[in-house]
Amino acid sequence: AQRVTQPEKLLSVFKGAPVELKCNYSYSGSPELFWYVQYSRQRLQLLLRHISRESIKGFTADLNKGETSFHLKKPFAQEEDSAMYYCALRGSNYKLTFGKGTLLTVNP
Amino acid sequence: DAGITQSPRYKITETGRQVTLMCHQTWSHSYMFWYRQDLGHGLRLIYYSAAADITDKGEVPDGYVVSRSKTENFPLTLESATRSQTSVYFCASSDAYEQYFGPGTRLTVT
Repeated sequence: AQRVTQPEKLLSVFKGAPVELKCNYSYSGSPELFWYVQYSRQRLQLLLRHISRESIKGFTADLNKGETSFHLKKPFAQEEDSAMYYCALRGSNYKLTFGKGTLLTVNP
Repeated sequence: DAGITQSPRYKITETGRQVTLMCHQTWSHSYMFWYRQDLGHGLRLIYYSAAADITDKGEVPDGYVVSRSKTENFPLTLESATRSQTSVYFCASSDAYEQYFGPGTRLTVT
């Protein structure tokens, strides 16, 4: 069975500080991993997919198959980064398994 | 963003009532999904559909019914609402690259 674990429910940092949101997964096949972001009372939107290896809004994430991790990082957090972040694993039929989410608060 | 819409956006209903949440997408995506979002649980898949007239259960299907007679619509029905079904419900559709989410329906069962 596939599983996604986000160990931190809450993460609070100061503006300009580095931020890392952790994500670990369990999957028997070759994983497809995503980060979704949800700003206050808005719909979820895709932030990153590991296949594209891109940087969006200064965020990056590297798939580490040895550690089964896909941590999200940003070197300098901004107040507008405050949101709920979900790590997700795509399985068969395009179904997503989500972690429970990490609420990031960036303080001024 | 107008590609996938949900209605109503907010709904209050009483225990035992039947409620239908609507989802409509304009992209002609084959795959569509219903999730519920609850604090401490993240998003959990209720039902999904691979095409018109093809649906299957997700992680938490009990108490819900879906149908998909047309590619663009994927309604979710709570046959007899319970307080435990108070939640935010998100519909999504998917292409080969990502899932696209609707704005959500906030449902309260009293």
